[in-house]
Order: sequence, then C-alpha cells, then structure tokens
Amino acid sequence: EAQVTQNPRYLITVTGKKLTVTCSQNMNHEYMSWYRQDPGLGLRQIYYSMNVEVTDKGDVPEGYKVSRKEKRNFPLILESPSPNQTSLYFCATSGRVSEKLFFGSGTQLSVL
Amino acid sequence: GQNIDQPTEMTATEGAIVQINCTYQTSGFNGLFWYQQHAGEAPTFLSYNVLDGLEEKGRFSSFLSRSKGYSYLLLKELQMKDSASYLCAAPNTGGFKTIFGAGTRLFVKA
Repeated sequence: EAQVTQNPRYLITVTGKKLTVTCSQNMNHEYMSWYRQDPGLGLRQIYYSMNVEVTDKGDVPEGYKVSRKEKRNFPLILESPSPNQTSLYFCATSGRVSEKLFFGSGTQLSVL
Repeated sequence: GQNIDQPTEMTATEGAIVQINCTYQTSGFNGLFWYQQHAGEAPTFLSYNVLDGLEEKGRFSSFLSRSKGYSYLLLKELQMKDSASYLCAAPNTGGFKTIFGAGTRLFVKA
C-alpha cells in the first residue's frame, strides 16, 4: 500500500529546543516537499527536494532545515523553534512535481 | 507571480448541488488540481484538469477554462460527509512546487 508516514502526529515543545519531524514514503517518488498550514493562509511550502541530495527553499524557509540523504526520507528540522512556528505541518510527495501530491497525516506542532 | 483565489466559506443543503469557484493567475500553466481536506486531516486528491472542459468523476466534477484562468468543482447529491475544505492548487511555472489557494470550507446542513 502506498504510504507517506509522518511522525509525530502531535508535538508540544518549548522555545529553542531542537526537534525533527520525520517523513518517509514507500512509492519511490523523487519529489518530496514540506508545507505548513495556518488558518486563512492555506498551505505554504517550506522546502522541497527534487531528488537525493537536491533540496531548495520554498516560500517560507526561515527557521527550518531539511535533508535528503535517501530517496524515501525527508526530515524537517527546527534547530531553535519559536512560537511563530506553531502550525500544522504536512509532508507531501509525488512522482514528478506536476503530478498529484500524496500527503502525510500531518504534525500539529505547538511551541510554547 | 502566481495567485489562486477561492471563496472562504460556503453552505449548502444535503442532497443539493454546490459549485466552488477558483480563479488563478499564472505566467504559465501545468494543470489545476482540487483536493479535499477534512478538519485535522491531510488533503486528498480529487481531480486534475489540464485541458479545457468538464471532467466528471462520480458525484464530483471539475471544470477548467484556461483562457479565463478559471476552474470550478461541482459536487452533486451532497452528503453530510462532504463537509470539508476544498483546495484549489496549481504547479508553478518552473514546476518546482504546487501553489495552493487558502481553501473553501463547505458546510453541508440537513
């Protein structure tokens, strides 16, 4: 079964404490992306990756890092989280950029 | 730049038909997507249009007019479970990302 596995589902943390949200897909897709979703703003892209070791900034990359060492994994790293990063995060993947996206189940992050 | 606009909220009655509109501005075109998102859940793919006209898939249909930068999602025989947000989205001209509208929250009432 095609899956995008994203963990954790919920996370509460404090300002400055480094955290990682994991994303893994079993569809052998080249394209992976991270979005954050905030009320009234819709989904905004944080970072994307076209393939292994190829990553680039999206619209709102400040305060985030990513890595793509393997095709299946695309973790999102917040080295020093701040309250304005409180949001709902989604990992997404597709075979190619212009194809439909498959989303992970989401991570609701609260930074206190 | 690119921009996608859609209404913020709509309300419709169970069993009725509702049309959710989307207008987009792009300097190129790589197709237009509709996704459904229930509260607290991930978006799921509904439809994709790359040519002008209507694409029908069961109770859901999607229409595209490239010359007008316009699309709509048509939901027939509304059911309570159709209460959700509907996201209009388009890959950008460079093909590196998909731009999303803010979404239309649909409330289906009995």
